[in-house]
Formats: sequence, C-alpha cells, structure tokens
Amino acid sequence: NAGVTQTPKFQVLKTGQSMTLQCAQDMNHEYMSWYRQDPGMGLRLIHYSVGAGITDQGEVPNGYNVSRSTTEDFPLRLLSAAPSQTSVYFCASSYSILGQGNTEAFFGQGTRLTVV
Amino acid sequence: GNSVTQMEGPVTLSEEAFLTINCTYTATGYPSLFWYVQYPGEGLQLLLKATKADDKGSNKGFEATYRKETTSFHLEKGSVQVSDSAVYFCALSDRGGATNKLIFGTGTLLAVQP
Repeated sequence: NAGVTQTPKFQVLKTGQSMTLQCAQDMNHEYMSWYRQDPGMGLRLIHYSVGAGITDQGEVPNGYNVSRSTTEDFPLRLLSAAPSQTSVYFCASSYSILGQGNTEAFFGQGTRLTVV
Repeated sequence: GNSVTQMEGPVTLSEEAFLTINCTYTATGYPSLFWYVQYPGEGLQLLLKATKADDKGSNKGFEATYRKETTSFHLEKGSVQVSDSAVYFCALSDRGGATNKLIFGTGTLLAVQP
C-alpha cells in the first residue's frame, strides 16, 4: 500500500525561489493537511483541506499556498522561499474529521527543506 | 487555546527498562488523545489513541490511559527494546471542531541502549 507519498524527500532552495512540495494519497481520504516540524516546537498546521476544492488556513499559513483540485493530491507551494521556512514538512490524510470515532491520520515520510 | 505539554528529552534507557513519558493537555470539551511515533528518517505513525475519559489505548506493549481528572495521557511500556528508539509525540484533536487539526507536543526522543 502506497498510503501518503511526498516528493521530493530533500530540497535546497535559495532565498526568493519558489517551489511546490507534492503530496498524494491513494486511500480516497477527504481530509488532508500540511504540517511543518521544527525542533522544540512539535508539528504545526500550515493548511488543510476537507475535500476537493476546499482549503483553509492553519496556524502558520504565511508564505504558503495550497490547492485541492482532486481528492488524491494536495500540493504545497512556497511562493518566495525564506530561511525561516527551513523545516521538515509532513503531509497527512484521514478519512474523516480527526477525533471522531476511530479516525487516524496517516503521514507521509516528509520533505526536508533547507533555504539558504 | 488547546495545548499539549510533554516531557523534554532525550530519555536514555537500557534495554528492558521501564518507560514513562509524561503528557498533559489543556483543552475545552472532550478531546481525543493520541501518541504518535516517528522512527529515524520516517513519517509519524499512530501508536495508540483514546477517545474518552478512562479509555486505555495500547499497542506493541505501550499503554496510555486518558485521565480527565489530571488532564494527562502518560505513555508507558514495561520493558523497552532497542527498536523502540524513536521520537514520541503526544497529540490531541478537538472532537467538535471542523478543522481536522491535531495539536502536538514538542516530542520526546527515546534512546534505548543494548
């Protein structure tokens, strides 16, 4: 089972460059999210989507854009990379709202991004 | 707002030692509680969860009990193995919300030595 697939695994950008982190899931999940992981801060929600065509901001959305044109894909775009965006990025998906019933979030393996 | 506090690491133990990683939370309402584990170079995996007070989640020898009176969800294992070395995250989800958001603690690195 592929689960949640993120590409690339590693990326180095120069300040001001743009790029897209890809995320795809094959579990037909409606809910998808992007988190960033920074030392001493756990994971923080960047953006999330509750279905195709619907996205919303999390707690640290500035500098990032998302779109959800299909159920499977949820790309994260960095518009103009800054050193503060150096982090490990995780995409996650779940079949319903977290916290309800037996809902579980499935995570990709992460993208380690360095902005120089 | 909702938050999760877990003990700082790293926690270094010898094989077969007893493990406790403390986790307390602040939340309105009745959140669901989770422990996720991140092995080196991998993404997070759900280890166990509890959705209501007094529930005990268990998996792979790990256990945690949802204690509403102390707002805690401490992770325990009776005998750790080298293969348990990983980062452990406590998290909560606001059950009534529509944001599908997990709130994570800062993570605790566990290193088990043979």
